[in-house]
Amino acid sequence: NAGVTQTPKFQVLKTGQSMTLQCAQDMNHEYMSWYRQDPGMGLRLIHYSVGAGITDQGEVPNGYNVSRSTTEDFPLRLLSAAPSQTSVYFCASSHTSGSTYEQYFGPGTRLTVT
Amino acid sequence: DQQVKQNSPSLSVQEGRISILNCDYTNSMFDYFLWYKKYPAEGPTFLISISSIKDKNEDGRFTVFLNKSAKHLSLHIVPSQPGDSAVYFCAASAISNDMRFGAGTRLTVKP
Repeated sequence: NAGVTQTPKFQVLKTGQSMTLQCAQDMNHEYMSWYRQDPGMGLRLIHYSVGAGITDQGEVPNGYNVSRSTTEDFPLRLLSAAPSQTSVYFCASSHTSGSTYEQYFGPGTRLTVT
Repeated sequence: DQQVKQNSPSLSVQEGRISILNCDYTNSMFDYFLWYKKYPAEGPTFLISISSIKDKNEDGRFTVFLNKSAKHLSLHIVPSQPGDSAVYFCAASAISNDMRFGAGTRLTVKP
């Protein structure tokens, strides 16, 4: 049981390039999310999904696209990278059961845009 | 707008004593509240959560208290251990799964 996996761990892009950050979970969770964390700040929600085929925007969605074709995978696409997107990106999966809510994070992708 | 706030950037406690981390929120529509621990260069680790229908939840050394009228929650760690030293984030989610995080509190537990 690997939990939440993310690839790559590190990436350097030039301004204007595009790329996809991969995220997969093997816990059969319905919910998946993408966050970014900038220095001195908490995590900010980019996009989330409540199930295959359903996605929605979070707090900071501009410049990013997502899709959810399977329960397991939730890739994040940067359409045209900008220096403001330099950040650490975390993917998470979560589930609720009655009054409990649990969310598990991947190890993160550190992205630098030059 | 910052809907979840952790007003103390840091906290230092002695090993064996209680650590109390605080969090305030503004959105009364939040249904779940969660606490995470984070080490550098790692993803956040889920610690404990509480539903808005409860006022207390315990798991081992960790207890979360929720005061809905004050829009305040706290995490108690008893007894504190040096391995608990990390950044702690509180987060809150509405039923839509739109989750908001506080900026974090760095806990240092001194031997």
